[in-house]
Amino acid sequence: AQSVTQPDIHITVSEGASLELRCNYSYGATPYLFWYVQSPGQGLQLLLKYFSGDTLVQGIKGFEAEFKRSQSSFNLRKPSVHWSDAAEYFCAVGVPGGFKTIFGAGTRLFVKA
Amino acid sequence: DSGVTQTPKHLITATGQRVTLRCSPRSGDLSVYWYQQSLDQGLQFLIQYYNGEERAKGNILERFSAQQFPDLHSELNLSSLELGDSALYFCASSEMDSNSPLHFGNGTRLTVT
Repeated sequence: AQSVTQPDIHITVSEGASLELRCNYSYGATPYLFWYVQSPGQGLQLLLKYFSGDTLVQGIKGFEAEFKRSQSSFNLRKPSVHWSDAAEYFCAVGVPGGFKTIFGAGTRLFVKA
Repeated sequence: DSGVTQTPKHLITATGQRVTLRCSPRSGDLSVYWYQQSLDQGLQFLIQYYNGEERAKGNILERFSAQQFPDLHSELNLSSLELGDSALYFCASSEMDSNSPLHFGNGTRLTVT
């Protein structure tokens, strides 16, 4: 069965600094990969997705993620963090042709002035 | 706005009671997913329906049941409620299966006292 690991429970970065959130997955083939963001009191919103092709994918709000098959990773990056990026971020895995998406435990991002 | 509507937003009830959570998917989406989010368990997949049929089951308790109606709205029924059932319950919808990104509602916060 597929699984997702987000090693960092929380991360604090300064506003304007770069950000990288880690995600590792376990699956026998290449899964579909997603990053979602959850602001307080809100549902999850899709940031970006990877299905196939170019391993560097661009998303909304200036985020990007890189799929590395050799490392089974799909890390999320942003070159310059804004205070409004403070939220919880979830990496997720979907099995091609399957019917459920599995989420990691989430990484809470704190942004300091 | 994701287009997914969940009602009610908040629900407070006593142990042993039964409640029904309702979800209207985004227009055009055929799949409905239910997730439970709690502090200790994270975001747990409960169940998925596609065009009225159950397609995948996750960690859903026997006390919980769901269905998707012909108009594609879905209901999650929780019975014999326990304190540990207190959580945020999210509904999400997608066009088809796990190939499609999920669109989340804002959740129903259930408090069992």
